[in-house]
Amino acid sequence: QVHLQQWGAGLLKPSETLSLTCAVFGGSFSDYYWSWIRQPPGKGLEWIGEVNHGGRTTFNPSLKSRVSISVETSKNQVSLNLSSVTAADTAVYYCARAFLTNWFDPWGLGTLVTVSS
Amino acid sequence: DIQMTQSPSSVSASVGDRVTITCRASQGISRWLAWYQQKPGKAPNLLIYAASNLQSGVPSRFSGSGSGTYFTLTITSLQPEDFATYYCQQASNFPFTFGQGTRLEIK
Repeated sequence: QVHLQQWGAGLLKPSETLSLTCAVFGGSFSDYYWSWIRQPPGKGLEWIGEVNHGGRTTFNPSLKSRVSISVETSKNQVSLNLSSVTAADTAVYYCARAFLTNWFDPWGLGTLVTVSS
Repeated sequence: DIQMTQSPSSVSASVGDRVTITCRASQGISRWLAWYQQKPGKAPNLLIYAASNLQSGVPSRFSGSGSGTYFTLTITSLQPEDFATYYCQQASNFPFTFGQGTRLEIK
């Protein structure tokens, strides 16, 4: 049973860099793509980007200039960095496995990141 | 980007009712569509993928249909645990996009 555990700073000031890590337990790490998805409070879901075990990435163009996603295969971990955050980046951030192709299952529990001065 | 539009935005129903939620894509996506259920404070949970395939462990009262630009999620005989928010997601083109959500409330 695959389990995703995520962590990172929950409170940031404007202009700082958001950094989150997601560790994958159980199942294969190298056979899948791993995505980050966010959800502002009370709002819908936005796909941020994905990475595979080889480090190949694809990003949402709306965030591409500020986002990086990396992988540490030896630890079965993926990391998200989002630079120059503003209040608009306040959201719950989820990591998720791309099941079969581009369906997301399972998801991590989510990390609330608040950007406030 | 492909825009996904769900309707209704919210619906009230009773236990035992049948409910259908629709999702329209701004361009054809074949059957590259998934449905998720999200309960308050929890991560979304995959219900249906490839428009009509039931994810393992999901009750058979959930079903999906459609292709191209029009899709539906149907829940027959609503159970108390089904009251949640439902999202569709297209997986045809980058960036992957979600509908705005449909909140299913108890009448």
